[in-house]
Amino acid sequence: AQSVTQPDIHITVSEGASLELRCNYSYGATPYLFWYVQSPGQGLQLLLKYFSGDTLVQGIKGFEAEFKRSQSSFNLRKPSVHWSDAAEYFCAVGPMEYGNKLVFGAGTILRVKS
Amino acid sequence: DVKVTQSSRYLVKRTGEKVFLECVQDMDHENMFWYRQDPGLGLRLIYFSYDVKMKEKGDIPEGYSVSREKKERFSLILESASTNQTSMYLCASRGTPGYTFGSGTRLTVV
Repeated sequence: AQSVTQPDIHITVSEGASLELRCNYSYGATPYLFWYVQSPGQGLQLLLKYFSGDTLVQGIKGFEAEFKRSQSSFNLRKPSVHWSDAAEYFCAVGPMEYGNKLVFGAGTILRVKS
Repeated sequence: DVKVTQSSRYLVKRTGEKVFLECVQDMDHENMFWYRQDPGLGLRLIYFSYDVKMKEKGDIPEGYSVSREKKERFSLILESASTNQTSMYLCASRGTPGYTFGSGTRLTVV
């Protein structure tokens, strides 16, 4: 069965520092991979996605993620964190066939120190 | 932009009540989903629908049912609300490039 692991429940970084949020997945075929962000009291907003092709994908708000098939990972990165990036981040995986039910990780809460 | 609207942001219901959570999308998407979000558990799929009057169980369907009479509307029904159904409920619609989520309904069952 497919699953997603986000090993870090909370991460605290200083404003201006770099960020990496980890995501490992278990899936039997080539997956669709997503990162979503949720600000307090809001729904989920898509940051970026990987379907195929270049394994380094760029997203909104200066985020990027790298798909590493050999490590079953899809880690999210940002070179310089802003205070407004404080939120909860979810990694998700889904099948490539139509229907595309997503399985989500438990989430990582990012805190930004000023 | 695709819009997914959940009719209530906050709801408080009593144990045993029948509860309806409504979700409407405006982009003619065929696939719609209901997720439940709990701290430390992420989002778990309750039900999804891939067409009008078509539905499939997700990972945690017990205690829930759904209705999709029109393409734009997907309702989640708690037949007899219980305190362990206190949670955040998120509706999503799937199109290109991916899912669009509503803002969520925080349901408290007392």
